[in-house]
Amino acid sequence: ENVLTQSPGTLSLSPGERATLSCRANQSVSSNYLAWYQQKPGQTPRLLIYGASSRATGIPDRFSGSGSGTDFTLTISRLEPEDFAVYYCQQYGTSPWTFGQGTKVEI
Amino acid sequence: EVQLVQSGADVRKPGESLKISCKGSGYSFTNYWIGWVRQMPGKGLEWMGIIYPGDSDTRYSPAFQGQVTISADKSISTAYLQWSSLKASDTAMYYCARHGSGSYHSPFSHWGQGTLVTVSS
Repeated sequence: ENVLTQSPGTLSLSPGERATLSCRANQSVSSNYLAWYQQKPGQTPRLLIYGASSRATGIPDRFSGSGSGTDFTLTISRLEPEDFAVYYCQQYGTSPWTFGQGTKVEI
Repeated sequence: EVQLVQSGADVRKPGESLKISCKGSGYSFTNYWIGWVRQMPGKGLEWMGIIYPGDSDTRYSPAFQGQVTISADKSISTAYLQWSSLKASDTAMYYCARHGSGSYHSPFSHWGQGTLVTVSS
């Protein structure tokens, strides 16, 4: 299966700073079928990015995704207080679809 | 508006069976893959498997194959996740989620609210 490894495990930043999250796959992700989700404590995951770089409906443009093949990045250009959460990448190109272990963005 | 409404929290003993549900509305239930995702306490998301309600085509993660059964009843727009013999390690939040397009090569765009399953003697 395609194992996704996210780094760092925890990112400690302040509001207004830039966050860069990494997701690395052990096999090339087919057709860049890579998504990013945000999950806040006690809440359901929310789709942010799909196809490696396309923003989902209603997602602010401070969130951007990039990358291809085995290396992908989620960038939050200027952190807002509501952005402090856990972020997961997921590949949906090769069964079984898999999630990364998550990166926590904390103040 | 697309909605996925899951059944309520459940507490069972080890060895008992359980079937939880996920009712879809606001879209054509038979035309979109629905999946199940496990989140153990304090842990990350784990993809369990998916089903296409139109023809009940089902795919499982190897980690969950044989451990759970995914099914759907298209007449009532409901997907299910069931266990025949629960273990304490099945204690987790379980989410259903719908793929964003008719293909399973799409992300989970809509999520249910989650069902907390607790297995304890």
